[in-house]
Amino acid sequence: NAGVTQTPKFRVLKTGQSMTLLCAQDMNHEYMYWYRQDPGMGLRLIHYSVGEGTTAKGEVPDGYNVSRLKKQNFLLGLESAAPSQTSVYFCASSYSRTAIGAFFGQGTRLTVV
Amino acid sequence: GENVEQHPSTLSVQEGDSAVIKCTYSDSASNYFPWYKQELGKRPQLIIDIRSNVGEKKDQRIAVTLNKTAKHFSLHITETQPEDSAVYFCAARLSGGYNKLIFGAGTRLAVHP
Repeated sequence: NAGVTQTPKFRVLKTGQSMTLLCAQDMNHEYMYWYRQDPGMGLRLIHYSVGEGTTAKGEVPDGYNVSRLKKQNFLLGLESAAPSQTSVYFCASSYSRTAIGAFFGQGTRLTVV
Repeated sequence: GENVEQHPSTLSVQEGDSAVIKCTYSDSASNYFPWYKQELGKRPQLIIDIRSNVGEKKDQRIAVTLNKTAKHFSLHITETQPEDSAVYFCAARLSGGYNKLIFGAGTRLAVHP
């Protein structure tokens, strides 16, 4: 039982490049989330999904896109990376309705130069 | 928008002392309040949570209290140990049924031997 797994763990991009972060969970959770973590700002929700085929915007969605084609996977895309997107990205998943706290992946440290 | 304020941002205590971290939230309909511990370079991990129909919850050296009228909740750690040193985040689940968590900015707790 791996829980929530993110790939890659580290990445350096040049401004304007694109990339996709993959999040996979094996707990059959309905809800999945992408957060970014910046110093002194806690965790901010980028996008989330309440089920396969559905996505919605969070607090800071600009510059990101997501897809949930399979229940176990939630992809975060950066079409044209900017230095402001340098951050640590965390994926999380949770049970629906029962509000048990989210389970987090190990994080992806992204640097945009 | 909805937000969660967390205080203090840093907290330094001697081993064996108690530590208290406080959070206030703005969405009066929030009904679930988890606390996460994040060690350096690792993922946030759920340590305790409380629902809005409960005023206090304890788990060994950790306790959380909730005052719905005042819209604030607190984390209490007793008999602190060096391994309690980490960043602690509070969160509040927004109303609306989508299990969206809004996080506080975090408290860096240092426990000195």
